[in-house]
Amino acid sequence: ETGVTQTPRHLVMGMTNKKSLKCEQHLGHNAMYWYKQSAKKPLELMFVYSLEERVENNSVPSRFSPECPNSSHLFLHLHTLQPEDSALYLCASSQDGTVNEKLFFGSGTQLSVL
Amino acid sequence: TQLLEQSPQFLSIQEGENLTVYCNSSSVFSSLQWYRQEPGEGPVLLVTVVTGGEVKKLKRLTFQFGDARKDSSLHITAAQPGDTGLYLCAGVPFGNEKLTFGTGTRLTIIP
Repeated sequence: ETGVTQTPRHLVMGMTNKKSLKCEQHLGHNAMYWYKQSAKKPLELMFVYSLEERVENNSVPSRFSPECPNSSHLFLHLHTLQPEDSALYLCASSQDGTVNEKLFFGSGTQLSVL
Repeated sequence: TQLLEQSPQFLSIQEGENLTVYCNSSSVFSSLQWYRQEPGEGPVLLVTVVTGGEVKKLKRLTFQFGDARKDSSLHITAAQPGDTGLYLCAGVPFGNEKLTFGTGTRLTIIP
């Protein structure tokens, strides 16, 4: 099994749909992250969870709702998205959540909002 | 204005050539990381540099952290098609304990 697994790999949704992105890590890490990668922009940190508690929310609109039921699983629930939310959404994990730790990324979900 | 500027934004060279890409900032960083992201995949950490002036080598890749800890470079010798990808630098600036990513250099090695 790969270290960090994301599903689905691709997602097309309308602005009124509700969908969820799933991330699972098999590394025994305590911290998990959601990042957004858009063309011509740096990777943007969205949310950080450490030991299943949200420790950071980088002013992300409420149409993105994260959920971390345990230290191995992370979800991103999507509702009434906008076309500008189309991007690659990357999940990552790290051992303890300290700031310059090595991040292990999944392959991402390529999201298109129509 | 980006905290971490990477240059060039795009680079396309022939197999066997050498190249250098740069990661620059006006801020001082406690450490810098370099990641490579291949098409359709997430970024993978290549190296972390933590000491000003530090040089680290990873096979044909040489990473250098500037003496003032404001910049870093990645030099690839005898580039191969497998080096193709998006190279990202990321660092933690002093006084702002958040990992910040650069915009990346998209490298294509032509066989």
